[in-house]
Amino acid sequence: DAGVIQSPRHEVTEMGQEVTLRCKPISGHDYLFWYRQTMMRGLELLIYFNNNVPIDDSGMPEDRFSAKMPNASFSTLKIQPSEPRDSAVYFCASSRQGADIPTEAFFGQGTRLTVV
Amino acid sequence: AQSVTQPDIHITVSEGASLELRCNYSYGATPYLFWYVQSPGQGLQLLLKYFSGDTLVQGIKGFEAEFKRSQSSFNLRKPSVHWSDAAEYFCAVAPYNFNKFYFGSGTKLNVKP
Repeated sequence: DAGVIQSPRHEVTEMGQEVTLRCKPISGHDYLFWYRQTMMRGLELLIYFNNNVPIDDSGMPEDRFSAKMPNASFSTLKIQPSEPRDSAVYFCASSRQGADIPTEAFFGQGTRLTVV
Repeated sequence: AQSVTQPDIHITVSEGASLELRCNYSYGATPYLFWYVQSPGQGLQLLLKYFSGDTLVQGIKGFEAEFKRSQSSFNLRKPSVHWSDAAEYFCAVAPYNFNKFYFGSGTKLNVKP
Protein backbone atom coordinates (compact mmCIF):
# COMPACT_ATOMS: atom_id res chain seq x y z
CA ASP A 1 0.00 0.00 0.00
CA ALA A 2 1.24 3.50 -0.77
CA GLY A 3 0.30 4.79 2.64
CA VAL A 4 -1.80 7.85 3.37
CA ILE A 5 -1.64 10.23 0.45
CA GLN A 6 -2.17 13.94 0.84
CA SER A 7 -2.33 16.62 -1.79
CA PRO A 8 -1.07 19.16 -2.41
CA ARG A 9 2.21 18.99 -0.47
CA HIS A 10 2.46 22.76 -0.44
CA GLU A 11 -0.18 25.42 -0.91
CA VAL A 12 0.27 29.15 -0.95
CA THR A 13 -2.87 31.22 -1.17
CA GLU A 14 -4.07 34.71 -0.57
CA MET A 15 -6.16 35.66 2.39
CA GLY A 16 -9.85 35.27 1.65
CA GLN A 17 -9.42 32.48 -0.86
CA GLU A 18 -10.87 29.01 -0.48
CA VAL A 19 -8.42 26.22 0.20
CA THR A 20 -9.12 22.51 -0.19
CA LEU A 21 -6.81 19.86 1.18
CA ARG A 22 -7.18 16.26 0.07
CA CYS A 23 -6.49 12.92 1.65
CA LYS A 24 -6.60 9.31 0.55
CA PRO A 25 -6.42 6.95 3.53
CA ILE A 26 -4.92 3.50 3.54
CA SER A 27 -7.25 0.98 1.99
CA GLY A 28 -9.21 -0.93 4.62
CA HIS A 29 -8.78 1.67 7.32
CA ASP A 30 -12.06 2.80 8.83
CA TYR A 31 -10.83 5.81 10.80
CA LEU A 32 -9.58 9.04 9.30
CA PHE A 33 -8.14 11.97 11.22
CA TRP A 34 -7.26 15.54 10.30
CA TYR A 35 -4.57 17.21 12.41
CA ARG A 36 -3.05 20.67 12.30
CA GLN A 37 0.53 21.30 13.41
CA THR A 38 1.89 24.70 14.38
CA MET A 39 4.84 25.83 16.43
CA MET A 40 2.60 27.47 18.98
CA ARG A 41 -0.04 24.80 19.46
CA GLY A 42 1.71 21.61 18.43
CA LEU A 43 -0.36 18.80 16.93
CA GLU A 44 -4.09 19.43 17.22
CA LEU A 45 -6.83 17.01 16.26
CA LEU A 46 -9.36 18.88 14.15
CA ILE A 47 -11.86 16.18 13.27
CA TYR A 48 -12.09 12.45 12.80
CA PHE A 49 -14.32 10.09 10.89
CA ASN A 50 -15.35 6.50 11.42
CA ASN A 51 -16.74 4.67 8.41
CA ASN A 52 -17.04 8.00 6.58
CA VAL A 53 -19.15 9.56 9.36
CA PRO A 54 -17.78 12.52 11.32
CA ILE A 55 -17.51 11.46 14.95
CA ASP A 56 -15.90 14.39 16.67
CA ASP A 57 -15.36 17.81 15.13
CA SER A 58 -14.81 19.65 18.39
CA GLY A 59 -11.29 20.54 17.31
CA MET A 60 -12.40 22.44 14.23
CA PRO A 61 -11.42 25.99 15.10
CA GLU A 62 -14.17 27.92 13.33
CA ASP A 63 -17.03 27.64 10.91
CA ARG A 64 -14.60 28.55 8.18
CA PHE A 65 -13.31 25.00 8.46
CA SER A 66 -15.26 22.07 7.10
CA ALA A 67 -14.40 18.45 6.35
CA LYS A 68 -16.09 15.77 4.33
CA MET A 69 -15.57 12.12 3.63
CA PRO A 70 -17.81 11.17 0.70
CA ASN A 71 -16.42 7.64 0.53
CA ALA A 72 -13.95 5.34 2.21
CA SER A 73 -11.06 6.40 0.02
CA PHE A 74 -11.27 10.18 0.03
CA SER A 75 -11.59 13.09 2.41
CA THR A 76 -11.29 16.84 2.10
CA LEU A 77 -10.61 19.63 4.53
CA LYS A 78 -11.80 23.01 3.31
CA ILE A 79 -11.06 26.46 4.65
CA GLN A 80 -13.25 29.25 3.36
CA PRO A 81 -12.27 32.04 3.61
CA SER A 82 -8.66 31.44 4.55
CA GLU A 83 -6.75 33.70 6.91
CA PRO A 84 -3.03 34.12 7.62
CA ARG A 85 -3.44 32.45 11.02
CA ASP A 86 -4.50 29.27 9.24
CA SER A 87 -0.94 28.84 8.02
CA ALA A 88 0.22 25.48 9.34
CA VAL A 89 1.01 21.93 8.31
CA TYR A 90 -2.14 19.85 8.00
CA PHE A 91 -1.83 16.11 8.42
CA CYS A 92 -4.22 13.39 7.52
CA ALA A 93 -3.95 10.04 9.28
CA SER A 94 -5.86 6.79 9.12
CA SER A 95 -6.18 3.74 11.32
CA ARG A 96 -8.09 0.52 11.61
CA GLN A 97 -10.05 -0.63 14.59
CA GLY A 98 -8.73 -3.98 15.77
CA ALA A 99 -10.83 -6.63 17.49
CA ASP A 100 -10.42 -5.07 20.92
CA ILE A 101 -7.83 -2.40 20.55
CA PRO A 102 -7.07 0.49 18.28
CA THR A 103 -4.24 0.15 15.86
CA GLU A 104 -1.76 2.91 15.37
CA ALA A 105 -2.45 5.92 13.21
CA PHE A 106 -0.59 6.13 9.92
CA PHE A 107 0.22 9.65 8.83
CA GLY A 108 0.50 11.27 5.45
CA GLN A 109 3.34 13.59 4.52
CA GLY A 110 1.27 16.64 5.31
CA THR A 111 0.22 19.75 3.42
CA ARG A 112 2.10 22.91 4.27
CA LEU A 113 -0.38 25.77 3.93
CA THR A 114 0.73 29.37 3.76
CA VAL A 115 -1.87 32.09 3.65
CA VAL A 116 -0.50 35.49 2.70
CA ALA B 1 -9.97 13.76 30.21
CA GLN B 2 -6.99 12.20 28.54
CA SER B 3 -3.77 14.17 28.24
CA VAL B 4 -0.14 13.58 27.43
CA THR B 5 2.75 15.59 28.81
CA GLN B 6 6.23 15.70 27.40
CA PRO B 7 8.11 17.92 29.84
CA ASP B 8 11.22 18.40 27.70
CA ILE B 9 10.79 20.69 24.70
CA HIS B 10 14.39 20.36 23.51
CA ILE B 11 17.09 17.85 24.36
CA THR B 12 20.67 17.76 23.10
CA VAL B 13 22.82 14.67 23.43
CA SER B 14 26.17 13.70 22.01
CA GLU B 15 26.35 11.01 19.38
CA GLY B 16 26.88 7.66 21.07
CA ALA B 17 25.36 8.79 24.33
CA SER B 18 22.25 7.25 25.80
CA LEU B 19 18.87 8.92 25.48
CA GLU B 20 15.70 9.03 27.53
CA LEU B 21 12.66 11.06 26.50
CA ARG B 22 9.97 11.49 29.08
CA CYS B 23 6.25 11.03 28.63
CA ASN B 24 3.52 11.17 31.25
CA TYR B 25 -0.13 10.53 30.57
CA SER B 26 -3.37 11.15 32.33
CA TYR B 27 -6.03 8.54 31.78
CA GLY B 28 -8.34 6.67 34.11
CA ALA B 29 -7.99 3.20 32.65
CA THR B 30 -5.29 1.24 30.91
CA PRO B 31 -4.17 3.33 27.99
CA TYR B 32 -2.72 2.36 24.69
CA LEU B 33 0.56 4.21 24.27
CA PHE B 34 2.63 5.14 21.24
CA TRP B 35 5.82 6.89 20.34
CA TYR B 36 6.18 8.57 16.95
CA VAL B 37 9.11 10.29 15.30
CA GLN B 38 8.92 13.18 12.86
CA SER B 39 11.86 14.12 10.68
CA PRO B 40 11.89 17.64 9.20
CA GLY B 41 9.32 18.04 6.47
CA GLN B 42 7.93 14.58 7.01
CA GLY B 43 4.89 12.99 8.55
CA LEU B 44 4.91 11.05 11.78
CA GLN B 45 6.29 7.53 11.80
CA LEU B 46 5.48 4.98 14.47
CA LEU B 47 8.46 3.89 16.58
CA LEU B 48 6.69 1.55 18.97
CA LYS B 49 3.45 0.91 20.79
CA TYR B 50 2.21 -0.60 24.03
CA PHE B 51 -1.10 -2.32 24.41
CA SER B 52 -0.62 -4.90 27.15
CA GLY B 53 1.75 -7.56 28.42
CA ASP B 54 5.45 -6.96 28.84
CA THR B 55 5.93 -3.40 30.01
CA LEU B 56 9.18 -3.03 28.11
CA VAL B 57 8.51 -2.76 24.41
CA GLN B 58 10.97 -2.75 21.57
CA GLY B 59 10.59 -0.61 18.52
CA ILE B 60 12.31 0.24 15.29
CA LYS B 61 15.69 1.94 14.98
CA GLY B 62 16.90 0.53 18.30
CA PHE B 63 14.37 2.36 20.46
CA GLU B 64 12.56 0.92 23.44
CA ALA B 65 10.04 2.25 25.93
CA GLU B 66 8.91 1.18 29.35
CA PHE B 67 5.37 1.48 30.66
CA LYS B 68 5.21 2.27 34.37
CA ARG B 69 1.65 2.32 35.59
CA SER B 70 2.59 3.59 39.06
CA GLN B 71 4.24 6.64 37.54
CA SER B 72 1.83 7.06 34.61
CA SER B 73 4.88 7.17 32.39
CA PHE B 74 5.99 5.74 29.08
CA ASN B 75 9.56 6.93 28.59
CA LEU B 76 11.44 6.33 25.37
CA ARG B 77 15.05 5.17 25.51
CA LYS B 78 17.94 4.39 23.24
CA PRO B 79 21.31 3.17 24.52
CA SER B 80 23.42 4.88 21.86
CA VAL B 81 22.16 7.77 19.77
CA HIS B 82 23.10 8.23 16.13
CA TRP B 83 23.18 11.56 14.30
CA SER B 84 20.28 10.37 12.17
CA ASP B 85 18.09 10.23 15.28
CA ALA B 86 17.86 14.02 15.34
CA ALA B 87 14.14 14.67 14.93
CA GLU B 88 11.05 15.50 16.92
CA TYR B 89 9.48 12.78 19.03
CA PHE B 90 5.84 12.57 20.01
CA CYS B 91 4.19 10.48 22.67
CA ALA B 92 0.52 9.60 22.14
CA VAL B 93 -2.25 7.85 24.06
CA ALA B 94 -5.46 6.24 22.88
CA PRO B 95 -8.28 5.16 25.20
CA TYR B 96 -9.36 1.53 25.31
CA ASN B 97 -11.36 0.45 22.30
CA PHE B 98 -11.54 3.97 21.02
CA ASN B 99 -9.60 5.16 18.02
CA LYS B 100 -8.81 8.69 19.12
CA PHE B 101 -5.20 9.62 19.59
CA TYR B 102 -4.01 12.35 21.94
CA PHE B 103 -0.52 13.65 21.27
CA GLY B 104 1.98 15.34 23.51
CA SER B 105 3.63 18.60 22.51
CA GLY B 106 6.75 16.83 21.27
CA THR B 107 10.45 16.80 22.19
CA LYS B 108 13.02 18.01 19.68
CA LEU B 109 16.20 15.99 19.81
CA ASN B 110 19.47 17.50 18.69
CA VAL B 111 22.51 15.24 18.34
CA LYS B 112 25.99 16.72 18.71
CA PRO B 113 28.86 15.18 16.74
